[in-house]
Amino acid sequence: DAMVIQNPRYQVTQFGKPVTLSCSQTLNHNVMYWYQQKSSQAPKLLFHYYDKDFNNEADTPDNFQSRRPNTSFCFLDIRSPGLGDAAMYLCATRTSGRRQDEQFFGPGTRLTVL
Amino acid sequence: DQQVKQNSPSLSVQEGRISILNCDYTNSMFDYFLWYKKYPAEGPTFLISISSIKDKNEDGRFTVFLNKSAKHLSLHIVPSQPGDSAVYFCAATWEGFGNEKLTFGTGTRLTIIP
Repeated sequence: DAMVIQNPRYQVTQFGKPVTLSCSQTLNHNVMYWYQQKSSQAPKLLFHYYDKDFNNEADTPDNFQSRRPNTSFCFLDIRSPGLGDAAMYLCATRTSGRRQDEQFFGPGTRLTVL
Repeated sequence: DQQVKQNSPSLSVQEGRISILNCDYTNSMFDYFLWYKKYPAEGPTFLISISSIKDKNEDGRFTVFLNKSAKHLSLHIVPSQPGDSAVYFCAATWEGFGNEKLTFGTGTRLTIIP
């Protein structure tokens, strides 16, 4: 089945220790998104790729970086995780030009920072 | 600045009755609205949407109503079933070239009581 896959599903890291979360998709969508969702809060867009073009949200901390080596894969790098970065991280994909209801989400990676 | 607001964090409804979930928005540019449903350990999945040129959209047991003057939309589920127990997110966007983003609300946890 075509889908959005996130690995790992659960990630535990130590304060200040870099961590990388991955997202892959078999949908061949050209737009990929990373959201951060903290408990009882709305999913917050961190950045998105339109093809290879990186679009950072103005309020996304510099601590968060992303890479998209090809259409299928996208990575979220947190250079120095703080306790406040503990959250669920959601990856989503979409084909540009299509309606927003065709944004497909992965199951998320829950990040714990000790 | 929360542009999409879901003021009820939780809602409990008896099986077979109507569930009504509410959402308010502040940004007048929004012209397309969506509801996503999220089960535990899964990513959000698209449920139903409505364009600002309409005031109602229906899909089976799900109906979304839009009141543009009040900047308010609601999701009605009739009749409610146990499988409807999930977190429901309201989202909004403006449909235009170059805009690839959704703005989400904080979600309402719906529990259907058998």
